[in-house]
Formats: sequence, structure tokens, C-alpha cells
Amino acid sequence: NAGVTQTPKFQVLKTGQSMTLQCAQDMNHNSMYWYRQDPGMGLRLIYYSASEGTTDKGEVPNGYNVSRLNKREFSLRLESAAPSQTSVYFCASSVSGQGEFFGPGTRLTVL
Amino acid sequence: LAKTTQPISMDSYEGQEVNITCSHNNIATNDYITWYQQFPSQGPRFIIQGYKTKVTNEVASLFIPADRKSSTLSLPRVSLSDTAVYYCLVGDRGFKTIFGAGTRLFVKA
Repeated sequence: NAGVTQTPKFQVLKTGQSMTLQCAQDMNHNSMYWYRQDPGMGLRLIYYSASEGTTDKGEVPNGYNVSRLNKREFSLRLESAAPSQTSVYFCASSVSGQGEFFGPGTRLTVL
Repeated sequence: LAKTTQPISMDSYEGQEVNITCSHNNIATNDYITWYQQFPSQGPRFIIQGYKTKVTNEVASLFIPADRKSSTLSLPRVSLSDTAVYYCLVGDRGFKTIFGAGTRLFVKA
């Protein structure tokens, strides 16, 4: 099992550009999450999906959209990137109510 | 969501037992306590979760007193590879998980 995979690993964008971060899990988990982590800080929840077909806002959803494409895949879209969105983005999945499994992260820099 | 308070950093030596305490005074009845470990440039890794008393797995033990207003993660005989950031989270195992700043553990030889 690959666990949670994320693409790309690194990305540099210019202000105003758009991009989609991809996440997939092969553990048959119902719940999936997107977090961002700024240097020296804890993780902040952007969006989550409790089950296929549902998504909800987390702590810091502004500037982002998500799509739960199917049970395996949960993508995060930045429509118009801003320097404040420079961060490391982590995707995670879990069986509802249990610990989360995290992907390796995507390092995004917005110039 | 219950707010948690942890020490910012701790130092230890190889082979010692390390105890990291987390305070969560406003923990709710339905809340569980979960600990994660994070190495630089990696995503957090689930360590242990509990509701009350004591939980033990192959990696750590979690001690929760009767009032549940605090919890202690115990790492037996740490090694250099246990140097990491440890996060304490409290919630109803729902979906609005909030990570604090965590505790930076530095294990010395």
C-alpha cells in the first residue's frame, strides 16, 4: 500500500496563477483532509471531507476550493494564488473517529 | 474544541524515559486525546489515542487522570531518532482537528 500520496512535491507559482494539488489514498478511508503548515507552526485545517460526496470548511478555507472526486481522491485548488498561501500542504485520511494518516506534503511558494 | 497547552520544548538523553504533559482544562465529555509525532519535512504520524486511564501501544503510553484535564505521553527509552515535534490534540474525533504549536523534543547522545 502506498498510503497517502500527494502531487506535486514542490511548486512555484506567480501571484494570481491557479493550480490544483492532488491527493489520493489507497486505505479505503472515508474521511480526507487538507492542512497547511507555515514555518515553525502547527497544522491548520483548510477543508475536510467526512465521506465521499461531502466537503466542509475547516479553520482557514478562504482562497481555496476542494473536490472529493471519489473515495480515493481529494483535490485542493488555489484559484488565484497569493504570497500568503506560501506553505507546506498536507493531505490526510482516516477511518472516521480514528487517527489520521498524512501524506508527504507539497511545498508551495507563491512569488 | 478544547484548547491544549504543551511545553514549547524539552531536552532528554538517549535511553531516558520522556514524559510530555498536555493541559486541556475545558475538555468535553465526548472528547478524545490524540498524540502525533512530526519529523522535519514530513507529515505528522499518529502515535496514540485515548479517552481515560491508560493506553499503551508498541511506541508509547498515554496516561489520563480521572478528571481528564491533562494527559501525559510517555516515551520509554528514547533514542536520537525520537527527536521530533509532538502534538497533543483534543476533540470529539470529529473533523475539525486543530493542531497547536506542539512540543519540540531534542534527544541528545
